[in-house]
Amino acid sequence: SQQGEEDPQALSIQEGENATMNCSYKTSINNLQWYRQNSGRGLVHLILIRSNEREKHSGRLRVTLDTSKKSSSLLITASRAADTASYFCATDKTGGTSYGKLTFGQGTILTVHP
Amino acid sequence: NAGVTQTPKFRVLKTGQSMTLLCAQDMNHEYMYWYRQDPGMGLRLIHYSVGEGTTAKGEVPDGYNVSRLKKQNFLLGLESAAPSQTSVYFCASSYSFPGAGANVLTFGAGSRLTVL
Repeated sequence: SQQGEEDPQALSIQEGENATMNCSYKTSINNLQWYRQNSGRGLVHLILIRSNEREKHSGRLRVTLDTSKKSSSLLITASRAADTASYFCATDKTGGTSYGKLTFGQGTILTVHP
Repeated sequence: NAGVTQTPKFRVLKTGQSMTLLCAQDMNHEYMYWYRQDPGMGLRLIHYSVGEGTTAKGEVPDGYNVSRLKKQNFLLGLESAAPSQTSVYFCASSYSFPGAGANVLTFGAGSRLTVL
C-alpha cells in the first residue's frame, strides 16, 4: 500500500503565482523528500526535511512538515512555465536501517501557464 | 559523469517472453533500486540491493528477479512476461545526504516496457 497521498492530483496556475502541494503519510518517518518528474524523464530530488524539522527552504521552494498530523506541504513561489512537472513526496520510514527505501505518493501534476 | 543509465529505453514483449533491463551507475553508490511506475499508483519498489552480491525484495517483487554482480550494475529480469508487467521501470541509486542520516535517490531516465 502507498505510504503517501498527495493533494491535489492536478494543479493548474498562471506564471508568477504560487503553487502549494500537500502530502499525507501513515507511519512514523525519519525524513520526507520531494522529487520532481518532467514528462518522460526520471525523478529528480528537490529537497529533504528531517522528522525533527518543521520547515526548510531551498531557493523558491519551501517545505513544511507536521509530524503530529503526518503531513507535509511543498510551496513553489513565483512559479515559471519550466516548473511544469509532476511532484512526488517520498517517505523514509523509521525502524531499523531503511537502506534508503523510499515510499512514494501518487504525485501532483503541476501545469504553469505562461 | 553519466549518473544512472538504463537500457533499453523502450521494449515490446509478447506474453511469456523473457528480458533483462540493465542499470549502470558511475557514482560509486552502494545502494541500488528498481521501481515501477503505473498511472495513479506512484512508484513502487520491486527489488533493491545494499551492495555488490546482495539483493532483497521490495513491495512488488513477484515475477521479477535481480542480480548485482558488480557494484555499478543492477539487472532486472522478467522470466515470463505478463501484460500486468506493462509499466515504466526506473532504476535508482543512492548516497547519504550529508548530516541527515538519510539517503537521496538519483534516478535513471526510465525504461518503458509493453507486454502484449
